[in-house]
Amino acid sequence: SQQGEEDPQALSIQEGENATMNCSYKTSINNLQWYRQNSGRGLVHLILIRSNEREKHSGRLRVTLDTSKKSSSLLITASRAADTASYFCATDPTGNQFYFGTGTSLTVIP
Amino acid sequence: DGGITQSPKYLFRKEGQNVTLSCEQNLNHDAMYWYRQDPGQGLRLIYYSQIVNDFQKGDIAEGYSVSREKKESFPLTVTSAQKNPTAFYLCASNGGVWQPQHFGDGTRLSIL
Repeated sequence: SQQGEEDPQALSIQEGENATMNCSYKTSINNLQWYRQNSGRGLVHLILIRSNEREKHSGRLRVTLDTSKKSSSLLITASRAADTASYFCATDPTGNQFYFGTGTSLTVIP
Repeated sequence: DGGITQSPKYLFRKEGQNVTLSCEQNLNHDAMYWYRQDPGQGLRLIYYSQIVNDFQKGDIAEGYSVSREKKESFPLTVTSAQKNPTAFYLCASNGGVWQPQHFGDGTRLSIL
């Protein structure tokens, strides 16, 4: 069963704009992770936020976590055409089994 | 460079045939995973292994089998019992509890 659900399913923006995608999950977590997948490729880990953290930054990425609402958001600032990909959130409630959401497909138009 | 290698990149299966997907890692990770991804969908866990000679079923293990005879290798066999095997298969590993996963570049399996 998939624990996370991303919203929106698809997002199309102009280069330079910011992109925000959201993730909701169902049970308690130790951490939440975001991954990117380019078409036909494997997933690449972007950022991990622990359950006791509220916000984390990595370059142009900003992740927030609200454990009371069981939700997280990923913000990509100043988007580039190379950011075009699918983005997935993942939770790991037991420490050894990951649950991925259905993903947000982001298209950045040059 | 450390990483995960999946082969082949594309694979075709005939009706009634078993096929085996290869996954090798040189990251010295204990845990390895197999996922299935259908078009426009997220990842669903097929099998995972925390240690050599041990593995557990995931959410969709029926019609699949695995082995873990070496730390570096975690092959997945798609048996003839899997009636809808067309999908993108991803292998992953991680280096410890609460650590991110590292993925291979996948094998796309189709039916002839």
